[in-house]
Amino acid sequence: DAGVIQSPRHEVTEMGQEVTLRCKPISGHNSLFWYRQTMMRGLELLIYFNNNVPIDDSGMPEDRFSAKMPNASFSTLKIQPSEPRDSAVYFCASSGGLGFASDTQYFGPGTRLTVL
Amino acid sequence: AQSVSQHNHHVILSEAASLELGCNYSYGGTVNLFWYVQYPGQHLQLLLKYFSGDPLVKGIKGFEAEFIKSKFSFNLRKPSVQWSDTAEYFCAVNADSSNYQLIWGAGTKLIIKP
Repeated sequence: DAGVIQSPRHEVTEMGQEVTLRCKPISGHNSLFWYRQTMMRGLELLIYFNNNVPIDDSGMPEDRFSAKMPNASFSTLKIQPSEPRDSAVYFCASSGGLGFASDTQYFGPGTRLTVL
Repeated sequence: AQSVSQHNHHVILSEAASLELGCNYSYGGTVNLFWYVQYPGQHLQLLLKYFSGDPLVKGIKGFEAEFIKSKFSFNLRKPSVQWSDTAEYFCAVNADSSNYQLIWGAGTKLIIKP
């Protein structure tokens, strides 16, 4: 199994530009999580999908952030417009069940985003 | 609000030293507990987890953790560390009131001197 796949691995963009991060969960997993990691705030859950449906997006910082999961094998996290304070590592994780903690979350390699 | 506290942000040890990383959580009910590790430049991966049963949990690479309910703690241990254990270690807790969300500690950066 290839594990969780994220692209791009690194993204450098200028303030005001649109950024799209992509994630392919492990095949057969039905829960998907987007996290953001910064030095200041540590790991934060942004949004959680189950069976392609957003269940909890209370962690999404503001309207500039949006996430979609059009099918079981693909999700995107979009930032429009991007700001320097969005610079962080964005992780995608998937798990096999209902997203209960009994289902281990498997993390992707992350996308390191730098907004200049 | 629930929280997870990892006492040490940075730990430096020599090879063969014993390791104990602290993790305390604030929640009085049933909890599920995790330790994840992030090696330099890599993604987070599960070291071990506790759901129920024996409070001493053994994980990969010789790590173990002990759940002490009375102390709200889930400390990570390894009797003899290796240079390859250099990584950042995260404790995470799930409380039964939120089925999926993990509350994460701030992480502990462990550096092993060869």
